[in-house]
Amino acid sequence: GAGVSQSPRYKVAKRGQDVALRCDPISGHVSLFWYQQALGQGPEFLTYFQNEAQLDKSGLPSDRFFAERPEGSVSTLKIQRTQQEDSAVYLCASSLWSLQETQYFGPGTRLLVL
Amino acid sequence: DAKTTQPNSMESNEEEPVHLPCNHSTISGTDYIHWYRQLPSQGPEYVIHGLTSNVNNRMASLAIAEDRKSSTLILHRATLRDAAVYYCILRDYSGAGSYQLTFGKGTKLSVIP
Repeated sequence: GAGVSQSPRYKVAKRGQDVALRCDPISGHVSLFWYQQALGQGPEFLTYFQNEAQLDKSGLPSDRFFAERPEGSVSTLKIQRTQQEDSAVYLCASSLWSLQETQYFGPGTRLLVL
Repeated sequence: DAKTTQPNSMESNEEEPVHLPCNHSTISGTDYIHWYRQLPSQGPEYVIHGLTSNVNNRMASLAIAEDRKSSTLILHRATLRDAAVYYCILRDYSGAGSYQLTFGKGTKLSVIP
């Protein structure tokens, strides 16, 4: 079946621009996660949705980062006024439920802020 | 969540077995041991998990020490496609822990043809 998809795969933004990154989870998966992966590091948690409810946004690095999942399926991670330190790979993962379930990751969106 | 310690890198010859170690001396009774791997330019993928007993699946085997303070991921016959970063992660299933995955730096496995 179809896995988690993300778009765009690559994004180049000028500093100060707003960007929107999209995640299509596996159909029927309740839980959706966003992670940020800096070069040479492991992924770091950003935020978590259960259906349309954002239950945890403790990992979002600043108020320039905003995520939504209005209908409980597709999610968008928005970064306003991008900075160079926002350059990273942004990974989306979904799971059937939450605690006990395997997380399935998308290929990520590589963001480069110039 | 309890922390894990892994070597930064390892090398293996193709078609040889690989043993990837992980130390987790502060593991709690409700922590499961999970392994994910990340191939170049891809998102992480689940490999295997276990609690106390050794586990086998089509991808790998997981050997867990009797005191649960360490574990070893075993790839029985490394192929070039197994070259990846392998992450050992503890997940608390008691409901008191967090639901996200907490990744460390993992072990970068290189497979030599």
